[in-house]
Amino acid sequence: NAGVTQTPKFRILKIGQSMTLQCTQDMNHNYMYWYRQDPGMGLKLIYYSVGAGITDKGEVPNGYNVSRSTTEDFPLRLELAAPSQTSVYFCASSYLGGGISNQPQHFGDGTRLSIL
Amino acid sequence: QKEVEQNSGPLSVPEGAIASLNCTYSDRGSQSFFWYRQYSGKSPELIMFIYSNGDKEDGRFTAQLNKASQYVSLLIRDSQPSDSATYLCAVNVRGAQKLVFGQGTRLTINP
Repeated sequence: NAGVTQTPKFRILKIGQSMTLQCTQDMNHNYMYWYRQDPGMGLKLIYYSVGAGITDKGEVPNGYNVSRSTTEDFPLRLELAAPSQTSVYFCASSYLGGGISNQPQHFGDGTRLSIL
Repeated sequence: QKEVEQNSGPLSVPEGAIASLNCTYSDRGSQSFFWYRQYSGKSPELIMFIYSNGDKEDGRFTAQLNKASQYVSLLIRDSQPSDSATYLCAVNVRGAQKLVFGQGTRLTINP
């Protein structure tokens, strides 16, 4: 049972480069989320999706883009990497969303990204 | 005021004692409250969730919710060194399918 899988686990980028962080889940969850976590801080929501073809911005969307063409996959794109995007990125999924009857969010292992 | 605020750590507790972690939130319409545990270098894992006012117990963990005071807490009884981690409080956003996380409280259990 793989759950939420993120690739790569580590990456170093140069300023101005672009890359895509991959996230896939095999639990048939409708809801998927991308967070970033800076050292000693909590999780900040970047983007989320409530189903294939539907995405919405979170708290810190600037500098990122997402797409959701399938239920399983929710890639995060950095177009012009900046040092401020150095962080740990977590992808999560849940069967229902954040409402009263929600199910817990399941997290991937994270991608540690450094921009130099 | 931050949407979700946790008591600043780090918090140090002797083994066998009760660890108390606190969280306040600003949105009175929030209905779901979660506690996640995060070991250093690992991803968050859910340990408790609570929807109704009062206490919810699961083993050594007790979540307490007071909606009138906009306050949720996590008690860990008989603390073990393996409980040493960062604990994240998360609250649902009313009308949206997402959570807001607090900044986390780092807990250390001293043998």
